[in-house]
Amino acid sequence: DAGITQSPRYKITETGRQVTLMCHQTWSHSYMFWYRQDLGHGLRLIYYSAAADITDKGEVPDGYVVSRSKTENFPLTLESATRSQTSVYFCASIGPEDRLLREQYFGPGTRLTVT
Amino acid sequence: KNEVEQSPQNLTAQEGEFITINCSYSVGISALHWLQQHPGGGIVSLFMLSSGKKKHGRLIATINIQEKHSSLHITASHPRDSAVYICALPSQGGSEKLVFGKGTKLTVNP
Repeated sequence: DAGITQSPRYKITETGRQVTLMCHQTWSHSYMFWYRQDLGHGLRLIYYSAAADITDKGEVPDGYVVSRSKTENFPLTLESATRSQTSVYFCASIGPEDRLLREQYFGPGTRLTVT
Repeated sequence: KNEVEQSPQNLTAQEGEFITINCSYSVGISALHWLQQHPGGGIVSLFMLSSGKKKHGRLIATINIQEKHSSLHITASHPRDSAVYICALPSQGGSEKLVFGKGTKLTVNP
């Protein structure tokens, strides 16, 4: 299916476990993003990537690791999950190459609960 | 870093009413996004605008670059418009990194 997908959609894990959230897009968009959404904070950028093998930190990167070996995939790993990482995670990518007017496309989200 | 203020936080309206949601920011930008988040959680982009006004059906978005302010209007509101509306804009200048307002939860009653 064309578009941007995330897996799993729901995940429950225990404190201290490693968790990887997957994001896949079929458009070959160069820019991809990971956000978390929490009550009272709204959406906040965790990491982003301008292209394969190019990643950079966002507003709240601590405790997360990303990689981008292929343009279409942008996995987010929680190396040792903490309760404060309980959140809804959204992946997004940027569309056409007009740099100033690029609409972001969001994945359906992953609801992660850390117990 | 750009600071985003969105208001109101919550809004309840009767079907048919005209709705306005406001977004103010602190640093000049190249473009501003209006997003809609449905009760099921999915986020879709409604508008991206850099100047003036854009219209899509009953939704109208305006931006005043000089005043650093944007508004989203919904004419003849309907219960299916019930959602969270979020403004987003570059954290600085023309950056692809976005900062987001905290959202406006709109409930339209029949």
